[in-house]
Amino acid sequence: DTGVSQDPRHKITKRGQNVTFRCDPISEHNRLYWYRQTLGQGPEFLTYFQNEAQLEKSRLLSDRFSAERPKGSFSTLEIQRTEQGDSAMYLCASSLALAGGSYNEQFFGPGTRLTVL
Amino acid sequence: KNQVEQSPQSLIILEGKNCTLQCNYTVSPFSNLRWYKQDTGRGPVSLTIMTFSENTKSNGRYTATLDADTKQSSLHITASQLSDSASYICVVSFGGYNKLIFGAGTRLAVHP
Repeated sequence: DTGVSQDPRHKITKRGQNVTFRCDPISEHNRLYWYRQTLGQGPEFLTYFQNEAQLEKSRLLSDRFSAERPKGSFSTLEIQRTEQGDSAMYLCASSLALAGGSYNEQFFGPGTRLTVL
Repeated sequence: KNQVEQSPQSLIILEGKNCTLQCNYTVSPFSNLRWYKQDTGRGPVSLTIMTFSENTKSNGRYTATLDADTKQSSLHITASQLSDSASYICVVSFGGYNKLIFGAGTRLAVHP
């Protein structure tokens, strides 16, 4: 499967614990995005990377959240001291941005569903 | 404020029937508009992408329209199938890195 993959698919944790999610984008895609989706809502942008550089973070990304893409390939999203309000689906997407391109298709992974008890 | 609103919130139709989903947006500067299909528990999958100059785009039984003047788009599904049951999300892109603003989606249920 050459699509975007995410691991784990489901995570149940207790409030206060730390969790880390992984995203493997489509190979050679230089952009990687993280989104959060709550029930009945569309995804909300969290952050994005161009290669290894994190270029923008949403206000939704509190200081308990940190994302990395150390080698410009896979990315991790860590949530420290989880709260019940963090329960959501965390989606990763990747795209290939070309110089002068007007738009670039974002391909989404299956998501990681987080439940904080 | 950049927003994307969709209607209806949910829709039930019988298999074989047609339906039209609506999307209104207030996003600037506009780059492109996309419709995604999202099955329960899965990531969104792109159906169509339209730029400012395009007013219709088809993908099989899915046809999207765009009126950039009124900032409205619609997704028409022809001869619905049970597998069309999903959420359909209207997404508007803006900015140099194509930041996406998602609507809340229309949840479609196709019944036999």
